[in-house]
Amino acid sequence: QVQLVESGGGVVQPGRSLRLSCAASGLNIRTRGMHWVRQAPGKGLEWVACTSSDGQTTYYADSVKGRFTISRNTFRNTVNLQIDSLRPEDTAVYYCASGRGGLGDEYFNAWGQGTLVTVSS
Amino acid sequence: QSLLTQPPSVSAAPGQNVTISCSGSTSNIGNNSVSWYQLLPGTAPQVLIYGNNNRPSGVPDRFSGSKSGTSSTLDITGLQAGDEADYYCQTWDTSRSAWVFGGGTKLTVL
Repeated sequence: QVQLVESGGGVVQPGRSLRLSCAASGLNIRTRGMHWVRQAPGKGLEWVACTSSDGQTTYYADSVKGRFTISRNTFRNTVNLQIDSLRPEDTAVYYCASGRGGLGDEYFNAWGQGTLVTVSS
Repeated sequence: QSLLTQPPSVSAAPGQNVTISCSGSTSNIGNNSVSWYQLLPGTAPQVLIYGNNNRPSGVPDRFSGSKSGTSSTLDITGLQAGDEADYYCQTWDTSRSAWVFGGGTKLTVL
């Protein structure tokens, strides 16, 4: 059974950095694209970042390019999201999700329960 | 402003049927597969439909999806109180090299 568990959220001041982690079990992240998706309070789902199954390619939403960095540790089977220069609009629940399918067909078949990031002074 | 347009809300009585639409363009829905997700209050999203019209095991056949041109629809038949949730469409946008979600539709079961 696939399980994704996020950690690292909390309350952070604007301009600071934060590192989120997603521990995967029941799947090998080397066989899946791994994603981060967020949901701001009262808002919809927003896809944020992806690392491809072979680890060679990363993708980012325009809204986070240059500030967010996704990475993975295949030995620990974890996926990380480094968030720099945090802004109040980054306040959201951040979900880790695993992908299935090829690029144009990929969907998010398993999700974690999310970790809340609050950016406030 | 999402690249995929969904109605903000829909409502219907228990037992009735409802359709949720998702409109995009040739750079996203028109040339890629669509998935649909259900977001129940306080829970993580769950995939209902993938590949335009496929249901994962465990998803009731009351949920069905379709795609035509640059639009997709999610049909829910025999509405139940437990279906009250937010629903999102999702696909890949080739022009932006990014996955995109619709703005979400809140389903109210009257």
